[in-house]
Amino acid sequence: GENVEQHPSTLSVQEGDSAVIKCTYSDSASNYFPWYKQELGKRPQLIIDIRSNVGEKKDQRIAVTLNKTAKHFSLHITETQPEDSAVYFCAATDTGRRALTFGSGTRLQVQP
Amino acid sequence: EAEVAQSPRYKITEKSQAVAFWCDPISGHATLYWYRQILGQGPELLVQFQDESVVDDSQLPKDRFSAERLKGVDSTLKIQPAELGDSAMYLCASSRLGAEAFFGQGTRLTVV
Repeated sequence: GENVEQHPSTLSVQEGDSAVIKCTYSDSASNYFPWYKQELGKRPQLIIDIRSNVGEKKDQRIAVTLNKTAKHFSLHITETQPEDSAVYFCAATDTGRRALTFGSGTRLQVQP
Repeated sequence: EAEVAQSPRYKITEKSQAVAFWCDPISGHATLYWYRQILGQGPELLVQFQDESVVDDSQLPKDRFSAERLKGVDSTLKIQPAELGDSAMYLCASSRLGAEAFFGQGTRLTVV
């Protein structure tokens, strides 16, 4: 089955700095890679996703890049704000078949 | 905005007792997932339904856990008997085939 590894497990940045979270996946059949943000005690919520037919996707201050050859994808948050503080999870699946396999999460702390 | 509904939000039970969780997916979502999230970790799939059929229950501890989605709409996850190690957040999610998954608020289970 799919295995998703995520790094780092914790990340502390100053407000205004950029944050990068990296994930690798094992199954070359995976073609959909969402990122979820989970605030304390709340449900995971999708913040951005990318499909294997594109290499990069951007939505305001967040962007995701995908390298299919190396089987890794990354989340980039620019101009971080205190409200970005949360746990972020990457995930992977082959759409139409398997459920999402999640990484272990990254706790992002943005210091004001 | 449509949401995945789960109940109860919190459940405290004694070990060896039975416990059940309920999930009502977003209308029109044929795929339903139950995930278990241990504090500090990523969600792990327990069972995936497509309509009323089980697609994947390979990680479901079948000696004590059962799940059903009889009419292909709402679903129930049961644990009997509960063990201390079952304490976790139980998340239900739903999606259209090949589309993003939406999570419910979860049921936080504490086994004492």
